[in-house]
Amino acid sequence: AQSVTQLDSHVSVSEGTPVLLRCNYSSSYSPSLFWYVQHPNKGLQLLLKYTSAATLVKGINGFEAEFKKSETSFHLTKPSAHMSDAAEYFCVVSDGPGGYQKVTFGTGTKLQVIP
Amino acid sequence: ETGVTQTPRHLVMGMTNKKSLKCEQHLGHNAMYWYKQSAKKPLELMFVYSLEERVENNSVPSRFSPECPNSSHLFLHLHTLQPEDSALYLCASSQDRGRVFEQYFGPGTRLTVT
Repeated sequence: AQSVTQLDSHVSVSEGTPVLLRCNYSSSYSPSLFWYVQHPNKGLQLLLKYTSAATLVKGINGFEAEFKKSETSFHLTKPSAHMSDAAEYFCVVSDGPGGYQKVTFGTGTKLQVIP
Repeated sequence: ETGVTQTPRHLVMGMTNKKSLKCEQHLGHNAMYWYKQSAKKPLELMFVYSLEERVENNSVPSRFSPECPNSSHLFLHLHTLQPEDSALYLCASSQDRGRVFEQYFGPGTRLTVT
């Protein structure tokens, strides 16, 4: 079975402080995992992806995520929040047998950055 | 233009109207997708096309009818919609359907059904 859980629907941080957005997943295969960001009135943009290579993945805008199989987690972090990081973030899992890939999106986490 | 474009960006329609949403990708991808994004609900995958063939249809009501005339264009034809169909409709594309599932999204069409 495939599922993804974003543990926080809203996260609020002060500008310049670290960001942690949590994501847990379940998968019957070797999954690929993604984080997407959506700014208001915009489509989703890929931040980073894990595809069975290095477990620590670096993405755009200073974000990174670590794949922890033992914890079935793929949390998104950034050392220092910027005002422009305020957006909604989606964790996504993709897996499947052979050439067929099923994908599930999390419910999203809204990040608020306080000046 | 680059990336994935969607038109119109906003659409208001009555329940008896017929309208179409358009998506175009300029990335040379082979797979295209329609998603529905409603408030406080996970993103819902509606349709998947791979090489212009519909490969997935996730129990979407027949009042939504997709069309993929070629690998660069995707349409969503709408008729006799209900108010609960009001949502942001997102189009996406990816290199192919079978491997790493990295998608590129358009800005969406905000649909309001009155």
